Amino acid sequence: DAGVIQSPRHEVTEMGQEVTLRCKPISGHDYLFWYRQTMMRGLELLIYFNNNVPIDDSGMPEDRFSAKMPNASFSTLKIQPSEPRDSAVYFCASSLSSTSFRFQETQYFGPGTRLLVL
Amino acid sequence: QKEVEQNSGPLSVPEGAIASLNCTYSDRGSQSFFWYRQYSGKSPELIMFIYSNGDKEDGRFTAQLNKASQYVSLLIRDSQPSDSATYLCAVAMDTGRRALTFGSGTRLQVQP
Repeated sequence: DAGVIQSPRHEVTEMGQEVTLRCKPISGHDYLFWYRQTMMRGLELLIYFNNNVPIDDSGMPEDRFSAKMPNASFSTLKIQPSEPRDSAVYFCASSLSSTSFRFQETQYFGPGTRLLVL
Repeated sequence: QKEVEQNSGPLSVPEGAIASLNCTYSDRGSQSFFWYRQYSGKSPELIMFIYSNGDKEDGRFTAQLNKASQYVSLLIRDSQPSDSATYLCAVAMDTGRRALTFGSGTRLQVQP
């Protein structure tokens, strides 16, 4: 399996521009997670989906952030307008649910997108 | 107080020594605990998980869990320079959420 795929790997943009990050989860996985990692705040959950439906978006910082999952193999995280404080590494992760061992579900991370907003 | 706490380090050990990484958590209902390794500029990768009190061994790695003390640790035996990385502790809380709560990570440096 190719693992979780993210694009672009690096993004440099100017403040005010729209940024779209993309993720393809591992085939067959039914959970998809978006995380953000910074030196100051560590790895933070932004939102996660189950079977393409957003379950918990309490980590989304503000209305400038939005995420969609139109089908089982694709998700986007959009920032509009972007700000310098959005500079971070954004990770997408996926997992396969288990009805028997829910608390042993492993999340597999993609390579991340390094975003720099100038 | 953070939900999952780790010493940020760096923890420096000589090659061949045992590295001990610690993690405490605040939610007594937490069910399982994961250790991820993250090399600089890379994504987190799972090393192992544990959900029962006691020890769990996998090669040079041993995870230890004490739910009464709300404490989980990772021991790395015969540390190698290639083990130098940041180790993230993650906890599955006792809620309906599938998401993991991560600690801020401990940076390990293994000196040749």
